[in-house]
Amino acid sequence: NFMLTQPHSVSESPGKTVTFSCTRSSGSIASNYVQWYQQRPGSSPTTVIYDDNQRPSGVPDRFSGSIDSSSNSASLTISGLKTEDEADYYCQSYDSSNRGVVFGGGTKLTVL
Amino acid sequence: EVQLVESGGGLVQPGGSLRLSCAASGFPFNTYTMHWVRQAPGKGLEDVSALSSNGGSTYYANSVKGRFTISRDNSKNTLYLQMGSLRADDMAVYYCARGYCINGVCYRVDYWGQGTLVTVSS
Repeated sequence: NFMLTQPHSVSESPGKTVTFSCTRSSGSIASNYVQWYQQRPGSSPTTVIYDDNQRPSGVPDRFSGSIDSSSNSASLTISGLKTEDEADYYCQSYDSSNRGVVFGGGTKLTVL
Repeated sequence: EVQLVESGGGLVQPGGSLRLSCAASGFPFNTYTMHWVRQAPGKGLEDVSALSSNGGSTYYANSVKGRFTISRDNSKNTLYLQMGSLRADDMAVYYCARGYCINGVCYRVDYWGQGTLVTVSS
């Protein structure tokens, strides 16, 4: 089993770029795809990145994802921040040992 | 359009039972693994349970193993979660979510319902 660790909160100004990290505690970050979900207040999560760096249709190209094996982490970058991006962001991967879906604890993005 | 509509949440006493339902539409339900994911108030997401398309393979989080049972009725396009011996730490919004699998590995979810709130309190 492994954990995905995310910073609790991040703040940035509109128009700026922000990057969230998601660090895997054991095993390689590259061994299973990483997804990122956005959850606005009072709403269900939606996918903004899947398979490490793929954007679902309808997600603007301001959102991008990557993985870094040297730090064993994944990152979500949002450029040209808008107030509508204010939300919680969760990373997620797969635990092959128990066939379970693992979520990070989430990062709260404040755009101010 | 994929739609997942949960129902069955409510107030239950500690030690009690509750059955959640998730009505699915807009996709071939009988070909998809389905999940229940919960979110305690102010907390993160936890994959509680998953069930393969034919019902032959299940996953349970350690926190619910032996107390919760996931099932499905493919003729009714409906997913269920039977919850028993409920505790205060089971209180959460429970989301039904569609799994996405490649070569039998169900490694993410792609669509979520709106959730149903389960409150455990005396």
